[in-house]
Amino acid sequence: SAVISQKPSRDICQRGTSLTIQCQVDSQVTMMFWYRQQPGQSLTLIATANQGSEATYESGFVIDKFPISRPNLTFSTLTVSNMSPEDSSIYLCSVGEGDYEQYFGPGTRLTVT
Amino acid sequence: AQSVTQPDIHITVSEGASLELRCNYSYGATPYLFWYVQSPGQGLQLLLKYFSGDTLVQGIKGFEAEFKRSQSSFNLRKPSVHWSDAAEYFCAVRTGTASKLTFGTGTRLQVTL
Repeated sequence: SAVISQKPSRDICQRGTSLTIQCQVDSQVTMMFWYRQQPGQSLTLIATANQGSEATYESGFVIDKFPISRPNLTFSTLTVSNMSPEDSSIYLCSVGEGDYEQYFGPGTRLTVT
Repeated sequence: AQSVTQPDIHITVSEGASLELRCNYSYGATPYLFWYVQSPGQGLQLLLKYFSGDTLVQGIKGFEAEFKRSQSSFNLRKPSVHWSDAAEYFCAVRTGTASKLTFGTGTRLQVTL
């Protein structure tokens, strides 16, 4: 399976600021996904990011709040904009491979104060 | 829309005992089913998957799962639990035409020595 890294691994940010999370894959993949895992909760898909097209956002998530870039087949970024304490979560990227399974990065733990 | 239910929020078993984690899904056709494990502070690791064929699937770390269409279930089992199995376990479903995964709420496994 692909090896996925994320930067930063964790961060503490102030309310009103923005943070960009990077996701790097060691092989070319078509489909990349961004998930949010709020404290003690399950994973919720934010958006699907395919190279060469605009990201597709799930209900409840908007581009102005979570802009995504996908400049090539091995890299993507997710920005969490104008943060509030409710944005404190783990943010995970994943890639689609093989028979529809997804493999996940280690996650970025964000705390907003 | 598809959904996944994990009835048990928290399970405690003794090391060496057998384990069964429950997962029920709601979807009209045969879904693609997955079990992931998340150790504290880590990302998600794919344990096993079911797409078609043999309804008993083997995964990594000695885990297996059985797909039962009549019960809409995909329960995860392990005959003898090790202390290192303590983690959060997520069941997920993907439908044939959609790329995204829908996750259950997770089951936290505690292993006592």
